[in-house]
Amino acid sequence: EAGVAQSPRYKIIEKRQSVAFWCNPISGHATLYWYQQILGQGPKLLIQFQNNGVVDDSQLPKDRFSAERLKGVDSTLKIQPAKLEDSAVYLCASSPGFQETQYFGPGTRLLVL
Amino acid sequence: SQKIEQNSEALNIQEGKTATLTCNYTNYSPAYLQWYRQDPGRGPVFLLLIRENEKEKRKERLKVTFDTTLKQSLFHITASQPADSATYLCALSSGGYQKVTFGTGTKLQVIP
Repeated sequence: EAGVAQSPRYKIIEKRQSVAFWCNPISGHATLYWYQQILGQGPKLLIQFQNNGVVDDSQLPKDRFSAERLKGVDSTLKIQPAKLEDSAVYLCASSPGFQETQYFGPGTRLLVL
Repeated sequence: SQKIEQNSEALNIQEGKTATLTCNYTNYSPAYLQWYRQDPGRGPVFLLLIRENEKEKRKERLKVTFDTTLKQSLFHITASQPADSATYLCALSSGGYQKVTFGTGTKLQVIP
């Protein structure tokens, strides 16, 4: 079974630029999560989708971050414009449903200069 | 506010000994608690899940306890090996549609 795929793996941008991350979850997984993990901290949930509907985006900085999950499969997370404090690893995870084990992708390491 | 605490200092133990990691929480009524392992440059990997009505769960050399009175979970690795060296994260959820919240993780180093 293929795992969660993410791209790119690394990205370096200047502040105020925009960036987008892509995630392909495990086939058949209805729930998709985007997390932000700052060095030395645990993952922090940004947004959670159930199929293509948003379940929780309470910690998503909506003035600069946006995410979508078209057709309930792939998802993209965008930052526009980026700030220095957005430097982090962005993790995508998926699970068959709620209250179930989450399977994480390798993450995208973002550096904002 | 809800808080999940894991020992931020690294835990160093000798190979063959039992490693014990702690996860404490406040202002939280978790329906279940999970433990994940994270290696450098990789995403977390699920290890064990324990529900609020369970006291203990085991899987091979791993054991998790969950004390809702003390608001604490202990994660044990018996007969530890250098390959067990990683950061271990605990994660809690109140269940239903509530999100999973992760602790900051504890870095374990098993010394040969």
